[in-house]
Amino acid sequence: EVQLVESGGGLVQPGGSLRLSCAASGFTFSYYWMSWVRQAPGKGLEWVANIKQDGGEKYYVDSVKGRFTISRDNAKKSLYLQMNSLRADDTAVYYCAKSSTSWHFDSWGQGTLVTVSS
Amino acid sequence: DIQMTQSPSTLSASVGDRVTITCRASQSISGWLAWYQQKPGKAPKVLIYKASSLESGVPSRFSGSGSGTEFTLTISSLQPDDFATYYCQQYNSYPYTFGQGTKLEIK
Repeated sequence: EVQLVESGGGLVQPGGSLRLSCAASGFTFSYYWMSWVRQAPGKGLEWVANIKQDGGEKYYVDSVKGRFTISRDNAKKSLYLQMNSLRADDTAVYYCAKSSTSWHFDSWGQGTLVTVSS
Repeated sequence: DIQMTQSPSTLSASVGDRVTITCRASQSISGWLAWYQQKPGKAPKVLIYKASSLESGVPSRFSGSGSGTEFTLTISSLQPDDFATYYCQQYNSYPYTFGQGTKLEIK
């Protein structure tokens, strides 16, 4: 059974940093693209970033470019999101999602809440 | 960026009803569209991918159609478990984008 477990969320002040982690199990992690998707409280879904199997390609939504960095460690079966210069509008539940071979998101974690507030 | 627009934003229906949700893309996305169901406090779950392919384990009352810029999700006979929020998502080009969501409520 595919499992994705996010961690690392919490309360951070504007301008601060946070690193999210996603531990994967139940599938061959190194075979799949992985993404982060976020959802602000009471709002819709927003794709944030994704990363190729070998980490050689990464893509970001414009609103996080230059502030967030996605990475992965295939040996540890883990996905990361380094978030710097955090703003109030980054407040959201952050989900880790696995892309299928058909490119849609076929598995999601339970999410971790990031709150940016003074 | 490709904008995805869903209609309606809210839909009231009864158990047993047939319902249809529409998703329009601001430019052609071929068939690179997925539909997700989300319940309060839970992660989204994929229902349909490549516009019309049913994800394994998803009940056959869910179906998808469309190509290019206009897509639909149909639930043939609503069940109590289907009351949730539904999102379409394009993965034709970056940045991937979602529709704003359709909340399906019990009438």
